[in-house]
Amino acid sequence: AQKITQTQPGMFVQEKEAVTLDCTYDTSDPSYGLFWYKQPSSGEMIFLIYQGSYDQQNATEGRYSLNFQKARKSANLVISASQLGDSAMYFCAMRNYGGSQGNLIFGKGTKLSVKP
Amino acid sequence: DSGVTQTPKHLITATGQRVTLRCSPRSGDLSVYWYQQSLDQGLQFLIQYYNGEERAKGNILERFSAQQFPDLHSELNLSSLELGDSALYFCASSPRGDASSYGYTFGSGTRLTVV
Repeated sequence: AQKITQTQPGMFVQEKEAVTLDCTYDTSDPSYGLFWYKQPSSGEMIFLIYQGSYDQQNATEGRYSLNFQKARKSANLVISASQLGDSAMYFCAMRNYGGSQGNLIFGKGTKLSVKP
Repeated sequence: DSGVTQTPKHLITATGQRVTLRCSPRSGDLSVYWYQQSLDQGLQFLIQYYNGEERAKGNILERFSAQQFPDLHSELNLSSLELGDSALYFCASSPRGDASSYGYTFGSGTRLTVV
């Protein structure tokens, strides 16, 4: 069965500092994708970054990077140079590609607060 | 604007009532997914439709049902509403039956409050 675990309910970071949000996953499917979404207080879900299980390099998108450690089944999100607008809930999600279903499984999220 | 349209944005209704939430997927997307987000349960997958047919079912209650129409818009029907059904309901769409490398495109959600 698929499972996503985010162990940090809340985190604080100083503006302009880097922060790492933890995510571990469990799956028996060798082919899967890992996603991070941001949910600001307004409620919308914003896609940030994607990592495929067979990707050789860690994904990067601007200030976001994904620290993918396959053997440890972890997919931590690193946000560099934090900005006040980064304050939001962050969700890690996973999708297995072995079956016919396309749904994402989400973790419970981490609430990030950026301090000025 | 993500391209996925959900209506209404807010809905307040009484226990025992029935409501319909509507979703128009992004242009060209064939799959629609419904999620429920509550404070205690997080984001729970309810159901997926692909090109008019049910593709996957998650933790969807029997009081809930959904369908996808020929024009690909989808409706989620919630009946015999209970206080615990109060949540943010998201619709998302993707081009195919799976989540592409860019995941889904989410709508802005419908916030349902049952009183």
